Amino acid sequence: DTGVSQNPRHKITKRGQNVTFRCDPISEHNRLYWYRQTLGQGPEFLTYFQNEAQLEKSRLLSDRFSAERPKGSFSTLEIQRTEQGDSAMYLCASSLVGIEQFFGPGTRLTVL
Amino acid sequence: QKEVEQDPGPLSVPEGAIVSLNCTYSNSAFQYFMWYRQYSRKGPELLMYTYSSGNKEDGRFTAQVDKSSKYISLFIRDSQPSDSATYLCAMSLYSGAGSYQLTFGKGTKLSVIP
Repeated sequence: DTGVSQNPRHKITKRGQNVTFRCDPISEHNRLYWYRQTLGQGPEFLTYFQNEAQLEKSRLLSDRFSAERPKGSFSTLEIQRTEQGDSAMYLCASSLVGIEQFFGPGTRLTVL
Repeated sequence: QKEVEQDPGPLSVPEGAIVSLNCTYSNSAFQYFMWYRQYSRKGPELLMYTYSSGNKEDGRFTAQVDKSSKYISLFIRDSQPSDSATYLCAMSLYSGAGSYQLTFGKGTKLSVIP
């Protein structure tokens, strides 16, 4: 068990560019969550997958954001036309059953 | 008013002290109450969770939940410099879609001084 991994760990981009992040959950974990954490704040829920189905989306997830989890394994989060307000740590968590969510190290996005 | 309120600190204590961290919440539907520890530039790590009111102990850590007051606490006994981190409270309720999405407090930054 190698834990949840996220790539890249850091991403610097210019305003208006598209970025994509990847999350590899713990093997056999069928539930996957994305959260966003800005400086000095706790993580905020973005979206939830059970297997390949995206079952919940926060109102924070504007139409510039899209997430996928093909085949119920890894997941990607894409942000189109990035804005400076998108600068944050993007965290992925996976879960098998119940309440325990295991977080990855996060992808830190800086939009210049 | 945010759903979960947590004093961001910072909190600085000497090694060996008892640390008390707490959160209040407004949504009485929350069913699960968790404490996460987050080191700088790392993801949160689950310390403990409880389902109902009462106390739960794990080593040097004790979590308390008072649902009537909408108040939760985490106590750390015999604090160590390695406990220096940001402590996040989080709460959840089960959705019909199978999600236990978490609502976090801002986190309290703790420093334990040797």
